[in-house]
Amino acid sequence: GDSVTQMEGPVTLSEEAFLTINCTYTATGYPSLFWYVQYPGEGLQLLLKATKADDKGSNKGFEATYRKETTSFHLEKGSVQVSDSAVYFCALSDREDSSYKLIFGSGTRLLVRP
Amino acid sequence: EAGVVQSPRYKIIEKKQPVAFWCNPISGHNTLYWYRQNLGQGPELLIRYENEEAVDDSQLPKDRFSAERLKGVDSTLKIQPAELGDSAVYLCASSFFAGELFFGEGSRLTVL
Repeated sequence: GDSVTQMEGPVTLSEEAFLTINCTYTATGYPSLFWYVQYPGEGLQLLLKATKADDKGSNKGFEATYRKETTSFHLEKGSVQVSDSAVYFCALSDREDSSYKLIFGSGTRLLVRP
Repeated sequence: EAGVVQSPRYKIIEKKQPVAFWCNPISGHNTLYWYRQNLGQGPELLIRYENEEAVDDSQLPKDRFSAERLKGVDSTLKIQPAELGDSAVYLCASSFFAGELFFGEGSRLTVL
């Protein structure tokens, strides 16, 4: 079945460092891909998404490109801030479904130090 | 506008006791989801409602879990009896048709 694999955390960076969180997926169809973020004490929030190959999702300085050839959707940010400390989840949804049935990765915790 | 509201935020019970979680989705959202998130893992879908109809409950352990969404608005997820392995965060989410999912803060269950 469909699945998502993320790099294990925690990822610890200094402020203004470059961030990459790897995500690869397995899917039989043509899924939509998502990154969700969970800040401490809050619910999951959609960070960005891409619905077809070569699409780039972006939000709040974060970017991810839908790479069909490598089945990847890596999350990047050029300069992280302390406020970016959170848990990041990669997810996919089978576009054939009538609504978003999300399959999540296990999450990657990011800790940004001042 | 209010987001997805869940209660209680935390619940501690002894095994074999019953427990119930409540969710009020965003007004107008016809699709409601219950997810379970075990420690260190991503959320896993338990059940999905389209209005008051459960359209996907294949991952719901039906021997002890039940859910309802009366009148197609708020929803209740029940566990009876609870087992040690049920300790997790239970997340509710809602969406408008095939749109973005909005999650509540979750209900953290600890079974002793």
